[in-house]
This record gives sequence, C-alpha cells and structure tokens, in this order.
Amino acid sequence: DGGITQSPKYLFRKEGQNVTLSCEQNLNHDAMYWYRQDPGQGLRLIYYSQIVNDFQKGDIAEGYSVSREKKESFPLTVTSAQKNPTAFYLCASSIGEGYYGYTFGSGTRLTVV
Amino acid sequence: AQTVTQSQPEMSVQEAETVTLSCTYDTSESDYYLFWYKQPPSRQMILVIRQEAYKQQNATENRFSVNFQKAAKSFSLKISDSQLGDAAMYFCAYLNAGGTSYGKLTFGQGTILTVHP
Repeated sequence: DGGITQSPKYLFRKEGQNVTLSCEQNLNHDAMYWYRQDPGQGLRLIYYSQIVNDFQKGDIAEGYSVSREKKESFPLTVTSAQKNPTAFYLCASSIGEGYYGYTFGSGTRLTVV
Repeated sequence: AQTVTQSQPEMSVQEAETVTLSCTYDTSESDYYLFWYKQPPSRQMILVIRQEAYKQQNATENRFSVNFQKAAKSFSLKISDSQLGDAAMYFCAYLNAGGTSYGKLTFGQGTILTVHP
C-alpha cells in the first residue's frame, strides 16, 4: 500500500543534541512538507520541497534543517539551535501543488529530556 | 500572508445529531482551495473534504458538507448524523492556487469535537 512512513514514533533528545526525523513516501509525489504541531497552535510549516535537491524555508525554519536527495525521502534534523523542540512533527506529501490535498504520515513525537 | 481562524476551540454533539464547525480566512487572492482535515486520537491527519474557490457549489462527501461563502471568506463544515467515530480535532486549511505560496497549506488552530452517545 502506498503511503508515508515516519520514524521513529517517539524520540527523546538531550539538551544540545541534534536529532533526525525520518520521512519516506512511496506515492511518487513530487512535493514534501514538514509541519510542527503544538497544542492550541494548529500546524506550522517548517520546510517544504517541490523537487529533488531543492527545498524552501517555511514559517518556522530556524533551528531546523532538511535534505532532499531522493524523491522518496525528506529527513528533518532538529538542531541544538532549536530552543523549544518538544512537539509533534508531521510529514506530508502532495501531487504537484497540493490542490487535491496532502497525504500525511503518522507523526513523530519529540521530547527533550 | 493568509490566515485561517477557527473560533470554536471545542464543540460537542449528541450522536445522530448535526453539528457545524466554523472557519474564516483572510486572503486577497481570488483563486484558492479550502480543506477540512480530521485528526483522531491516533493523530493521523485525514482529509475530510475540499472546496475549490472558483466553484460556487458547496462540496459534499457523504455525511460531511460545507457552506462556502466566498464574499464573507467563510468555510464551515456540517457533520450530519454524527457518529462516535467523528470525535476528533478538526482543522480548516487554506491553499493558494499558484504564485509564491506553492503548495503551502495554512491551518487554523483546530476545533475539538466531542460526540456524546
């Protein structure tokens, strides 16, 4: 079955560490996105990529980095520069510009310990 | 920048009854798309319904329908014959058609829907 796989489901990070969240899709979608979800704030866009080897900052990119070396993969690194990384992270993909909506992964819950 | 506002943090409904969730948005664009997403306790985001701004006819998907008022920039979701499985967080979302906002969905803050048996 086609879909988006995010791993791990739960992730714990110590202060000062970088961590990488995985996102893989087998839908043959060109565009991929990373969103952060905090209570009471809905979803906020971190980074997005329209094609391989190209990506753009979203609304809250500071402290995050991404790569898009393969069409299927769009990993997100949460760096030590991100001051408040504890959140729920959602990866999504879309056909073209997303006019038919996004397909979402099941998310990763990141907690700083 | 576009903004999406859901003014109802929480709503409740009795099973088998009808409930309407509100959403307003702010944009200067004329061509765009609107969506309602459902996020159940599993936290998997599920597309419920979509509306194309250039179509006057309101979208419907089984028990789900929208009331799209373009001039008022309003996009409410009506759930008929509510079921226990409808209990979830519902998000309204906006997408520009083209331009510099390529593919960037903007979400509202969400409405938690509780369904009472």
